Amino acid sequence: AQTVTQSQPEMSVQEAETVTLSCTYDTSESDYYLFWYKQPPSRQMILVIRQEAYKQQNATENRFSVNFQKAAKSFSLKISDSQLGDAAMYFCAYRGTSGTYKYIFGTGTRLKVLA
Amino acid sequence: EPEVTQTPSHQVTQMGQEVILRCVPISNHLYFYWYRQILGQKVEFLVSFYNNEISEKSEIFDDQFSVERPDGSNFTLKIRSTKLEDSAMYFCASSEGAYYSNQPQHFGDGTRLSIL
Repeated sequence: AQTVTQSQPEMSVQEAETVTLSCTYDTSESDYYLFWYKQPPSRQMILVIRQEAYKQQNATENRFSVNFQKAAKSFSLKISDSQLGDAAMYFCAYRGTSGTYKYIFGTGTRLKVLA
Repeated sequence: EPEVTQTPSHQVTQMGQEVILRCVPISNHLYFYWYRQILGQKVEFLVSFYNNEISEKSEIFDDQFSVERPDGSNFTLKIRSTKLEDSAMYFCASSEGAYYSNQPQHFGDGTRLSIL
């Protein structure tokens, strides 16, 4: 069975600085998708960035980028120029391609942004 | 931008009572999901639904749970006889994509279910 691990329950970053949130996963599948979702206090989970496993190039969305290491099964999220609005819970999620589309989530990392 | 909407935002129910959580997925989406998040824990998959039937369910989704798409827009989760441990945030999600699509799931705001 697939598992997703986020080893950092909480992280802090100074405004305008860079922070990296870690995520590792375990799977026997060769093709899959990985996602980072942000859950601010308003509760709705918002997609931050996605990565297809067959793509070697790391995904980037404005200030958000990932470091995808397929062999190491690692999928970290880098937030550059952190803003107060980035404060939230961040979830890493895995979605396989063999018969189901459910997400498997990590336990989340709470990011605090310090002014 | 289209959104997944969930009602109510907070539901308080006596143990043993039935509860129905409602969701309106994004209109052109084909795949529907329910997840739950017990306070302080990770988000867990409950059930996925496609083509008017359950495509997968987790071990959490026992006989007390059911899902339905009663019309063309709503997607409901029913808990027949609630237990204290059903207290959680319940998220509905929908996605557009086909089998190998990278289309992400879009989540609603969640319904906080409190069982007394």
